Amino acid sequence: GAVVSQHPSWVICKSGTSVKIECRSLDFQATTMFWYRQFPKQSLMLMATSNEGSKATYEQGVEKDKFLINHASLTLSTLTVTSAHPEDSSFYICSALGGPYNSPLHFGNGTRLTVT
Amino acid sequence: AQSVTQLDSQVPVFEEAPVELRCNYSSSVSVYLFWYVQYPNQGLQLLLKYLSGSTLVKGINGFEAEFNKSQTSFHLRKPSVHISDTAEYFCAVSRGGNTGKLIFGQGTTLQVKP
Repeated sequence: GAVVSQHPSWVICKSGTSVKIECRSLDFQATTMFWYRQFPKQSLMLMATSNEGSKATYEQGVEKDKFLINHASLTLSTLTVTSAHPEDSSFYICSALGGPYNSPLHFGNGTRLTVT
Repeated sequence: AQSVTQLDSQVPVFEEAPVELRCNYSSSVSVYLFWYVQYPNQGLQLLLKYLSGSTLVKGINGFEAEFNKSQTSFHLRKPSVHISDTAEYFCAVSRGGNTGKLIFGQGTTLQVKP
């Protein structure tokens, strides 16, 4: 079946540095990918919609300059957390739509970001 | 606007017992409904979904859910649980009919005891 690969699975970085997270669709083309954030013991919150070849659409309250999203190809979207701070520590999960409008949504395995 | 409420934050149950995880939603438009399972430090796996048609939806791992429009519910059920079913379960509704933009409930931790 369709697989979405997310890398890295976990990362620890120092405050003030930037971290890039990759989301790849391995066996299908994903024109649209989504980035979610999950705080410990909480639900997932949609951060942004990543569209191949165009600017990402951010949800209300999400800083676009803080969370840079690039969807350079039909199989890759990246999320860069810029100038990370401890409050950015979270579990980030990407998802990809593979197919027509109501196709299943495939999730990556997530990235655990810890900012020290 | 849509919203999802999972009525139980934790559900403890003994192995081989039946279980029901409750989910209610609110929406002024037609919605698609989903149940996902999340194991520790992993992404989400789709258990089942309701897009249209039969209100009783069967999913993987023996789970099923029933869409009840009048009660705006989409409860998840399994007749006999296993230890391996211990995980976090999320109910979700699509936003504006877009199956990529999901609004998730708060999650229910299913704890299966031996």
